This record gives sequence, C-alpha cells and structure tokens, in this order.
Amino acid sequence: GENVEQHPSTLSVQEGDSAVIKCTYSDSASNYFPWYKQELGKGPQLIIDIRSNVGEKKDQRIAVTLNKTAKHFSLHITETQPEDSAVYFCSGEAGNEKLTFGTGTRLTIIP
Amino acid sequence: DSGVTQTPKHLITATGQRVTLRCSPRSGDLSVYWYQQSLDQGLQFLIQYYNGEERAKGNILERFSAQQFPDLHSELNLSSLELGDSALYFCASSAGFANTGELFFGEGSRLTVL
Repeated sequence: GENVEQHPSTLSVQEGDSAVIKCTYSDSASNYFPWYKQELGKGPQLIIDIRSNVGEKKDQRIAVTLNKTAKHFSLHITETQPEDSAVYFCSGEAGNEKLTFGTGTRLTIIP
Repeated sequence: DSGVTQTPKHLITATGQRVTLRCSPRSGDLSVYWYQQSLDQGLQFLIQYYNGEERAKGNILERFSAQQFPDLHSELNLSSLELGDSALYFCASSAGFANTGELFFGEGSRLTVL
C-alpha cells in the first residue's frame, strides 16, 4: 500500500519568512495529494490539493509542487503569519479510496 | 465548523471495557471515514463506509468494528480496550470518495484508557 513520509516533524520560522514542508510517497499509482492543516483542538482542514496531471498549484500565500518522477511533493508557505502556526499533514491517494497521511509537521511562527 | 459532529468529545474508561464513538456526517455526504491519531503519530486510516456499505479497510484491529446506519451516521465500537488504544479518533465525511475531493473532519473524540 501507499507509504507517505513527511519532513521535518517540527519547524520554526520567523514571521514573514517562508516555510517548506516536504513529503515523499511510495505508490507510483498515487494521483491525488491533499494537504491538511490541524489547529489546536480541531480536526484537520483541507488547505490545498494537487493532482498528478499538474506540477504546481498556488492559492495566495500557499503553493504545492509535485515531482512525479521523484515521487515527492512539497508545501510552501510564504510571508508566514502567526495564524499559520499549526500541524500540517500531507497525504496521498492511490485510487483505492483512502488517504494515507504523513506523520505531520508542527509549524511554529515566531513573532 | 466542518458540519461533522462527533460524540463524545472526551471519554475516560478502563482497560477491558468497550466504548462506542458516534459520528454524524455533513448533510448530503455519503462517505464516512474513521481515523486514529495517537501521540506523535499521523492520522491512521481505520475504515471507510459509503452509503451504508464498507468501502475500504485500513489498519483496524479485530477488537474494533464500525457501521454506517441508514440515516448515514456512523459508529465506531472499540472493545477489550488496552492502554495503547488511548488516542484521538476522528471521523470525516465526503460527498463521494477520497480521491474526488475534500474530506471534512469532525473535532474528534479523545479516548483515554486507564
């Protein structure tokens, strides 16, 4: 089955700087890669997703890149703000109707 | 508010006991997913139901079972509880299947086994 690895497990960045979280996946059949943000005491919430037919997708300060050859994808957050502090999960779905999640990255924005 | 409701929010019980976690999906969503989140662990997929039928199974223990009822709410039953079952259990729902769009997560049920 699919295996998704995520790095780093914790990340601290100065407010206004950029943050990058990287994930790799194992199943070459995977074709859908959503990113979820989990704030304290809440359930995860989708922030951006990408499908295998594109290499990059942007939504304001958030972007995701996908390299199918290398089987890795990354989340980029620019101009970070305090409200970006949360746990971020990457995930992959290989057509078997279930998402496999990475172990999460705890992002802390330092004011 | 995701529209997914989970009860109870917190549950404390003893080893060997049995508990039931309940989930009401977003209005109109046919798929329900159950995930387990342990300390320092990611979200482990347990099981998925679609319109009352089991659709996909993950690393769900034999001591655990789930079902989805005709009104589309779902229950996760955990029996013969062990200390290691202490975790946050999330329910999520979607209109269709996981690869077609967003999963909407509830706020979770925190289970503590003493």
